[in-house]
Amino acid sequence: QKEVEQNSGPLSVPEGAIASLNCTYSDRGSQSFFWYRQYSGKSPELIMFIYSNGDKEDGRFTAQLNKASQYVSLLIRDSQPSDSATYLCAVKGYSSASKIIFGSGTRLSIRP
Amino acid sequence: KAGVTQTPRYLIKTRGQQVTLSCSPISGHRSVSWYQQTPGQGLQFLFEYFSETQRNKGNFPGRFSGRQFSNSRSEMNVSTLELGDSALYLCASSLDTVQETQYFGPGTRLLVL
Repeated sequence: QKEVEQNSGPLSVPEGAIASLNCTYSDRGSQSFFWYRQYSGKSPELIMFIYSNGDKEDGRFTAQLNKASQYVSLLIRDSQPSDSATYLCAVKGYSSASKIIFGSGTRLSIRP
Repeated sequence: KAGVTQTPRYLIKTRGQQVTLSCSPISGHRSVSWYQQTPGQGLQFLFEYFSETQRNKGNFPGRFSGRQFSNSRSEMNVSTLELGDSALYLCASSLDTVQETQYFGPGTRLLVL
């Protein structure tokens, strides 16, 4: 079992709809959770981070964390063609020395 | 505040050669991590340096090595290059806190012929 799992996609969503990206992780001691967006040929850029159970909203993005289910998700409202990219979920353990584990990413395509 | 910088941005080498890549972290960041990214394997962790010491290591052969200097700048070296080493090499820096994320540089694209 991979430490951080994501559906590779592609996930195709019509413009204006909600895109839902999911991620599960295996280490129950994980404390910090991050979503990165990566355009083709570019480096990953941070979209959101979440540390506590529940929802965290930032503009069109909402991160949801459920530590009991070891599940983190990212919702993108009012999807735009510019949201088409690969989304990487990343998880960090309980100490500052813990390395960040990345999932393999979900490719999202927003169709006009 | 300036972001993470990596040099060179592009590199072409031949099999058997060695290569050194450089990374300058964001000012104040003491942790530097290196990743290899290929279309087939995704983002794979190479190693992490903190205060000039390797703190974490991924599952790569000994041909891949790195170091960190007192100013937190880091270098990674790949010796005896193989065709399969062609990839985007990403450096990321962070503050050393449990809640701090990593910020990536633009990467060095290495092509091995």
